[in-house]
Order: sequence, then C-alpha cells, then structure tokens
Amino acid sequence: AQKVTQAQTEISVVEKEDVTLDCVYETRDTTYYLFWYKQPPSGELVFLIRRNSFDEQNEISGRYSWNFQKSTSSFNFTITASQVVDSAVYFCALSDYNTDKLIFGTGTRLQVFP
Amino acid sequence: EPEVTQTPSHQVTQMGQEVILRCVPISNHLYFYWYRQILGQKVEFLVSFYNNEISEKSEIFDDQFSVERPDGSNFTLKIRSTKLEDSAMYFCASRRGEGTEAFFGQGTRLTVV
Repeated sequence: AQKVTQAQTEISVVEKEDVTLDCVYETRDTTYYLFWYKQPPSGELVFLIRRNSFDEQNEISGRYSWNFQKSTSSFNFTITASQVVDSAVYFCALSDYNTDKLIFGTGTRLQVFP
Repeated sequence: EPEVTQTPSHQVTQMGQEVILRCVPISNHLYFYWYRQILGQKVEFLVSFYNNEISEKSEIFDDQFSVERPDGSNFTLKIRSTKLEDSAMYFCASRRGEGTEAFFGQGTRLTVV
C-alpha cells in the first residue's frame, strides 16, 4: 500500500533560519511521482514541485531545495533563509503510474516568526 | 495564468439537503479530481474522472456522491443528502496528462448544520 509520512507536525523557526521538512514514502511501484504542495492560511493548495522516481537529482529553486533519496525513500524539502511568508502547512504527496490519485501526508505546519 | 476555479467559496447547508459544488478545470487538462480536507486534517482523495467516466473512487465516495462533467467545461460534485460529517473543504484539481502535476482550485468550504 502507498503511504506518505510527515513525522513533523509543527515546526517553528525565526526568520532567516534554514528549515528542513521531512517526507518518507512507501510504495511497491518502481514508477512513481512525488510532490510538495503549500497550503497558506488562505487555504488553497499551491503546487511546488514534482519529481519522478527515475530522477534523483536534487533541485533548487530560489530559496527552496529538494533532496530525493530512493535508498531511504525520502523526499525532503529545505527552505533557506526562511521568511514570514513561508508560514504555511506543507504537504508531501505520492502518486504512482497505475493510479493517478495523490496520496498526501498529514502535513507539516511551519511557523516563521519575525 | 490558467487556474482551476471553484464556486462557491463557502456553502452552508442543512443536514439532508443536496449540494452541488462546481469547478472549472484548466481548459486543456484531461484528468479531473475531487479531494476533501476535514478541518486540520490531511487532504483525502475522493474521485478521479477521465474520458467522461470515473476512473477511480475512494471508500469515502459512496452512493451519496456523484460527479458530472455536463458541458465540457464544468466539473461538479453532488452530495445527495448531506451529513454533518461531510463538513470539510472540497478541492477540485485537474492535470494535463499522466505523471504531470495536479493544479488545485481554491476550495469550497462546506458547512453542514
């Protein structure tokens, strides 16, 4: 069965600190996709990144970076020099090639204080 | 930038009433979804729709729920007889093809009283 675990329920940091959000997934499939979504206080779900299972290259986008490691079934998300606007709930999600639904983790609430 | 649009943003209904939640997916997308999020909890898959039929549904999506794409642009979720436990944020999503990212609407908050 597919599963996504985000063990960190809530993280609080002070602005400019770096923070890493953990995501561990389970799947029996060899082809799958991993995603991160941001849910700000306004409630919408904002797509951040998609990775497929064959691409383990880490990715950097501005202050955001993602570390995908198949050996540990992890897809961690790091925010460098956090800002108050980064305060949100962040969801990691998984889908596989055979079923296109997203399986979400329980989310990590990030609070960035000035 | 194209986006998924949902209406209404908030709906309050009495228990037992029927509600229809509406969505306009991104125009060149082929796969459509409904998800729900009970307050403070994770986002849960309800149903996926492709080629004018349901491709997958979760155990939550029982006979009280139905989806329809009536006119090639709208995608609706109907709850026939609402229950208190149907109170949640309902998200519509669409994506272009297999393995591509899903884009979500801003959600409809359904409150059943």
